[in-house]
Amino acid sequence: EPEVTQTPSHQVTQMGQEVILRCVPISNHLYFYWYRQILGQKVEFLVSFYNNEISEKSEIFDDQFSVERPDGSNFTLKIRSTKLEDSAMYFCASQGLDYEQYFGPGTRLTVT
Amino acid sequence: DQQVKQNSPSLSVQEGRISILNCDYTNSMFDYFLWYKKYPAEGPTFLISISSIKDKNEDGRFTVFLNKSAKHLSLHIVPSQPGDSAVYFCAAGGETSGSRLTFGEGTQLTVNP
Repeated sequence: EPEVTQTPSHQVTQMGQEVILRCVPISNHLYFYWYRQILGQKVEFLVSFYNNEISEKSEIFDDQFSVERPDGSNFTLKIRSTKLEDSAMYFCASQGLDYEQYFGPGTRLTVT
Repeated sequence: DQQVKQNSPSLSVQEGRISILNCDYTNSMFDYFLWYKKYPAEGPTFLISISSIKDKNEDGRFTVFLNKSAKHLSLHIVPSQPGDSAVYFCAAGGETSGSRLTFGEGTQLTVNP
């Protein structure tokens, strides 16, 4: 069964450093998302992406964040200058022609 | 953000009995609802969904009920199995592609053998 994959599973970085989180969505899906879950909090929407551009972004998704689909398979989230409060689980999701979003296993980002 | 709320942080049931997980929402613009199951250190796994034009959707042991007037949905699992023990998230969005999902807090279900 097709699935969304994410790498790395755990990323530790120092405050102020740039990180890139990678996702491979399900191959025939067209819509891509990033969500995050800070420990003890709800899963929060960050951004949606369709046809090589951002469809919608939340208030969390400020200028420090960017997304890219550099080739036909990968979908990346870049945080330019990480802050302590960026520590969270980051989930990538993809969606086909139905309305269900399928999530990857997540990347645990720890900012020290 | 209290648009989607799961008021019970935990639920414990006996194997073979019914598990009922509840979810309330406030935003009447939501017209598509989903339930996800999540194990520790894994991503949410899609379980079942329902459109706002329906009041029930069934898939095997899982049934979702939607009461639009009460802005309430529930997930019924019957019979419950120990492998169902996980955190269950309710999520809501628009019935359009590319629509963001808004999640509830989650309910930890424990099914005791």
